[in-house]
Amino acid sequence: EMQLVQSGAEVKKPGESLKISCKGSGYSFTNYWIGWVRQMPGKGLEWMGIIYPGDSNTKYNPSFQGQVTISADKSITTAFLQWSSLKASDTAMYHCTIALNGDFWFDPWGQGTLVTVSS
Amino acid sequence: QSALTQPASVSGSPGQSITISCTGTSSDIGGYNYVSWYQQHPGKAPKLMIYDVTNRPSGVSNRFSGSKSGNTASLTISGLQAEDEGDYYCSSYTSRTTYVFGTGTKVTVL
Repeated sequence: EMQLVQSGAEVKKPGESLKISCKGSGYSFTNYWIGWVRQMPGKGLEWMGIIYPGDSNTKYNPSFQGQVTISADKSITTAFLQWSSLKASDTAMYHCTIALNGDFWFDPWGQGTLVTVSS
Repeated sequence: QSALTQPASVSGSPGQSITISCTGTSSDIGGYNYVSWYQQHPGKAPKLMIYDVTNRPSGVSNRFSGSKSGNTASLTISGLQAEDEGDYYCSSYTSRTTYVFGTGTKVTVL
């Protein structure tokens, strides 16, 4: 069974750094794109970017370019989403999801990681 | 890249059919047959309902169907049931960035 398990909820202060994770299992990790999606409280879904662990090819949506870093470690079949300096506006649920290379739809999805940034 | 445009809400009575529209541009919906639809219940992860405009994943009810005309894609739910309540999002591959979501539609079963 293909599964994505995300790291637990985080509470951080503005200016702090953070790295959340998404561990894949039950599929060939290097043959699937991993996408990260933001959902701010009470709002819709937003694509942040995607990474192909096979060659680390990473594409960011313009709104998130320079704001976050997406990475992946093939050895532990885990993708990461990282901030160097959090802002209150980063408070959101973050989902990871996967798409087979050559496909353009994403399934399954991780359970989500809630990030709360508050002073 | 602006979000694709969806109606904020759609409602229907049990057994009725409803259609949710998703309007984009020639750079996304109009340019590719890579539209997918996701259902999200409160506090849950999104669930894939339709992919590549018209295809239904295994396990998704055949009451759900998708179509596209020009720059607008549509999701139709027939035989509306209480369990269909939730938020629905379209998504399209786009030549400008990677992917773009729709603004989301809240479906209410009256």
